[in-house]
Amino acid sequence: DQQVKQNSPSLSVQEGRISILNCDYTNSMFDYFLWYKKYPAEGPTFLISISSIKDKNEDGRFTVFLNKSAKHLSLHIVPSQPGDSAVYFCAASAAYSGAGSYQLTFGKGTKLSVIP
Amino acid sequence: DAGITQSPRHKVTETGTPVTLRCHQTENHRYMYWYRQDPGHGLRLIHYSYGVKDTDKGEVSDGYSVSRSKTEDFLLTLESATSSQTSVYFCAITEGLAGGQETQYFGPGTRLLVL
Repeated sequence: DQQVKQNSPSLSVQEGRISILNCDYTNSMFDYFLWYKKYPAEGPTFLISISSIKDKNEDGRFTVFLNKSAKHLSLHIVPSQPGDSAVYFCAASAAYSGAGSYQLTFGKGTKLSVIP
Repeated sequence: DAGITQSPRHKVTETGTPVTLRCHQTENHRYMYWYRQDPGHGLRLIHYSYGVKDTDKGEVSDGYSVSRSKTEDFLLTLESATSSQTSVYFCAITEGLAGGQETQYFGPGTRLLVL
């Protein structure tokens, strides 16, 4: 049972346009959400996060939106650049509740291709 | 750079042989994790550690064991490697402050091929 879903395996966008990557979750206990970016043959790198007490967080060209009622978050990249071409993973964690906490549940990833 | 190294970076082994992967951190973080990444599955948690000699199982722990005798090192052992354990293995760390919303930082990965 997938608790974090990224329903689009791939996305192609023209350079300079907006990229929108989507993520849905089912566990209402999740309260912290993260996006990671992964290039081939490298480890995932942290991109941006959002707490459930917010509905938007911005960092330069990257903005994450959270809609708690819909259990949906999205990552917007504006403007998209060829260097943004990578696999993007959505991840979520539940509130701290003991030694087993800080576990992340990941989606399967979306491969973004930014076309020059 | 989160100060995480993994060794080896690449390994080819044969079915039935034991394999140990090492994760080393310089951040003195309390929490360490082992994930595997496979096509169509994203990243799945194998085991994690919340302190020296304190470990627990993740989602896909069968066939794997871990040990943490020092804060900086977290070892993942495949007791008898199988072809289904061919994967890319990532180590991650997080500081683990009580009550915080923690970001995990990942190492560069180990690509393991079991023939």
